[in-house]
Amino acid sequence: AQSVTQPDIHITVSEGASLELRCNYSYGATPYLFWYVQSPGQGLQLLLKYFSGDTLVQGIKGFEAEFKRSQSSFNLRKPSVHWSDAAEYFCAVGGNTGGFKTIFGAGTRLFVKA
Amino acid sequence: NAGVTQTPKFRVLKTGQSMTLLCAQDMNHEYMYWYRQDPGMGLRLIHYSVGEGTTAKGEVPDGYNVSRLKKQNFLLGLESAAPSQTSVYFCASSSTVNTEAFFGQGTRLTVV
Repeated sequence: AQSVTQPDIHITVSEGASLELRCNYSYGATPYLFWYVQSPGQGLQLLLKYFSGDTLVQGIKGFEAEFKRSQSSFNLRKPSVHWSDAAEYFCAVGGNTGGFKTIFGAGTRLFVKA
Repeated sequence: NAGVTQTPKFRVLKTGQSMTLLCAQDMNHEYMYWYRQDPGMGLRLIHYSVGEGTTAKGEVPDGYNVSRLKKQNFLLGLESAAPSQTSVYFCASSSTVNTEAFFGQGTRLTVV
């Protein structure tokens, strides 16, 4: 069965520090992987996605993520966090087998301190 | 440049009342979805549609019904609201299965 685990419910980092948000997935075939960001009171916006090819993907707002099949992980990174990055981040996994079913993780809330 | 539009944005219902949430997209997407978002649980799929006239159940369909009479609209109905349906509801659409989903701004529903 598909599942997505985001082990960290919330993370606090200092502005200018680096960031890594963890995501582990379970999926029986080649996964489609996504990271979305949700600002307070807003809908979700796609940061980046991985379907195939280069396992290091670049997204918007300076974010990147690396797909590691051996670890079933798709961690999100940013080298230098800005105060405006404070939001909730969701990892999601889908695929092209077994019909539609994109599953979202529970989310990680990022706090940025000055 | 509307994308996905949800109405209403906020609603308070009494237990047992009914209501319909409307989702409209202007991107000619085939796929549309309704999610609910609860603290600590991420987004859970209620129902989805793979095209006009079709609907299917997601993870948590009980207590909800949907209709997709027109390609651009996806309606979510609550026939008899319960406090457990207090949540934030998001509609989304995508061009094909499992590709990027575009989300609406959400509807905050409180059932008292």
